[in-house]
Amino acid sequence: AQKVTQAQTEISVVEKEDVTLDCVYETRDTTYYLFWYKQPPSGELVFLIRRNSFDEQNEISGRYSWNFQKSTSSFNFTITASQVVDSAVYFCALSGLGGSEKLVFGKGTKLTVNP
Amino acid sequence: SQTIHQWPATLVQPVGSPLSLECTVEGTSNPNLYWYRQAAGRGLQLLFYSVGIGQISSEVPQNLSASRPQDRQFILSSKKLLLSDSGFYLCAWRAGGNSPLHFGNGTRLTVT
Repeated sequence: AQKVTQAQTEISVVEKEDVTLDCVYETRDTTYYLFWYKQPPSGELVFLIRRNSFDEQNEISGRYSWNFQKSTSSFNFTITASQVVDSAVYFCALSGLGGSEKLVFGKGTKLTVNP
Repeated sequence: SQTIHQWPATLVQPVGSPLSLECTVEGTSNPNLYWYRQAAGRGLQLLFYSVGIGQISSEVPQNLSASRPQDRQFILSSKKLLLSDSGFYLCAWRAGGNSPLHFGNGTRLTVT
């Protein structure tokens, strides 16, 4: 069975601090995809990134970066120089190729960035 | 470009009343469609998904049902709402394979 664990339920930082959101996954598939989503207070879920299991290169997009490590089954998300607008709930998700069309989500990490 | 519409945005219904939430997708064909529920605890619970017209997979047995009468239309229904049905309902679509899910803006349902 597939599983995504986001052990940090809530994180609070002060603006301009760097923050890392952890994501650990379990799957028996050799090919799979990992995702991060952002849910701001308004409620809609915004897609941030997708990585496939064959691409372990870290990715950077502006202040966001992602560290994918197959050896530890982790796909961590770092926000550099956090801003108040980064305050949201962040979800990590996993999709495999086992014939299922489902995305399995973690329970989310609520990030609060204080001015 | 593809867009997803979900309505209504908010809904207050009494216990025992019926429910119908609608979701439509534009700009794509034969999408996979999903209904998720997010309770106050924040986690996303997959309720139903559909890979084609008339094909519905149920993830959680409950008093809700889903239908897909047209390729890009997904409907969540209940004959009699329970207090525990309150929550934030999100419709989503994806192109299949392992493409990202794209979510609607959600419906906040309060059952009183």
